[in-house]
Formats: sequence, C-alpha cells, structure tokens
Amino acid sequence: KQEVTQIPAALSVPEGENLVLNCSFTDSAIYNLQWFRQDPGKGLTSLLLIQSSQREQTSGRLNASLDKSSGRSTLYIAASQPGDSATYLCAVSSGAGSYQLTFGKGTKLSVIP
Amino acid sequence: NAGVTQTPKFRILKIGQSMTLQCTQDMNHNYMYWYRQDPGMGLKLIYYSVGAGITDKGEVPNGYNVSRSTTEDFPLRLELAAPSQTSVYFCASSYLRDNEQFFGPGTRLTVL
Repeated sequence: KQEVTQIPAALSVPEGENLVLNCSFTDSAIYNLQWFRQDPGKGLTSLLLIQSSQREQTSGRLNASLDKSSGRSTLYIAASQPGDSATYLCAVSSGAGSYQLTFGKGTKLSVIP
Repeated sequence: NAGVTQTPKFRILKIGQSMTLQCTQDMNHNYMYWYRQDPGMGLKLIYYSVGAGITDKGEVPNGYNVSRSTTEDFPLRLELAAPSQTSVYFCASSYLRDNEQFFGPGTRLTVL
C-alpha cells in the first residue's frame, strides 16, 4: 500500500528566504506526483504535476523535482513571500489499476514578514 | 469557466439523516472524484467515476453512494449519517486519469 510522508509538518521562515519542502513515498511505481496548496478553509489548488518520466517541473518561483527510484520529491520555493503561507500537500498517482491519489498530511508553511 | 463547484458549503446533520452533496464541473472532464479530509489526515478517496454511467469505489466507500448520469455532475449521497462521517468533502475532476486534478472548494459536514 502506497504511503506518502511529508516532513516537516510545519515550517516558519522569514520573508525572502528560499525553502524546500520534502515528500517521500514508499512505492516507486507511480504515474505522477502532484503538489497542491491549501489555504485555510479552502479547496486545493494544483501547483505542479510531474509525470513519472520527468525529473522536474517549474512554475514561476516554484520548482518541483522527482526522484522516483529513491521515492522522493522536493518543492523548492524561491524568495518566499507572506502570501506563500499555506499548507502544501504532496500526492502520488500509483500504479496499474489504481485511480487513487495518495496524499501526504501536508506541510504548514508560515512566511513571516 | 467556474471549474468545480460544490454545494452546500456547510451542513449540520443529525444521526440517521440523509443528504446529497452536489458537485458540478464545466471543464468537460471525464474523471471525477470524491475525497474526504479529516483533521491531521491526508485526503482519502471515497468514490470515483471515469465517465457518465461508470463509477467505482475508492479507499473509504462505506456509508456513501454516488451516481454519474451526466459528464458534468457527480453527486455524493449519505444515506444514514453517522458521527464518523463528520469531515470536509472535496470533489475533484481531471480530463484523463493521469492529468492534473482540479478541486472544488469543499463541503464541511458535521453529524451530531
């Protein structure tokens, strides 16, 4: 059974700092990995989707990498801003016959002005 | 495009009552999903659909039912509400199975 772990559970950084969020998964037979952002009381917003054949994806100040063989992904946020404060969720789409996204519990990020 | 919309935003039910959570998407997506999110836990898949008329169980289907009569709509039915169904429910959709999933704003349900 696929399990997704996100460390740390919470992170507080000063504005302007670069930061890395970590995601690990137990079964490397994945189709893709998706990073989401969730604001309090809101739905999930998709940030980046990395297919299993890709190593990384970039969108603006965000860069996500994928190392399937080691079961790891990182989300790099450059020059953090207070507006980046949210919970970041990692989810993997697992192998043949499964339509399920398996989610981690998230990392709650606070960017201090 | 409105994307994925869900109604209601909030609901309080008594034990044993029933209700339907509505979900609609206007992106012509084939795949639709229902998840629940409990405090401190990751989202869990309840049911999914790969197209109109086709639905299947996810990880936590007990106590729920779904239907998919049109491409746009994917309602989730709770027949006999139980306190264990207190949660936030999210509907999502994607064009194909391995495409990006788009989420609705959620329905916060409390069963007392």
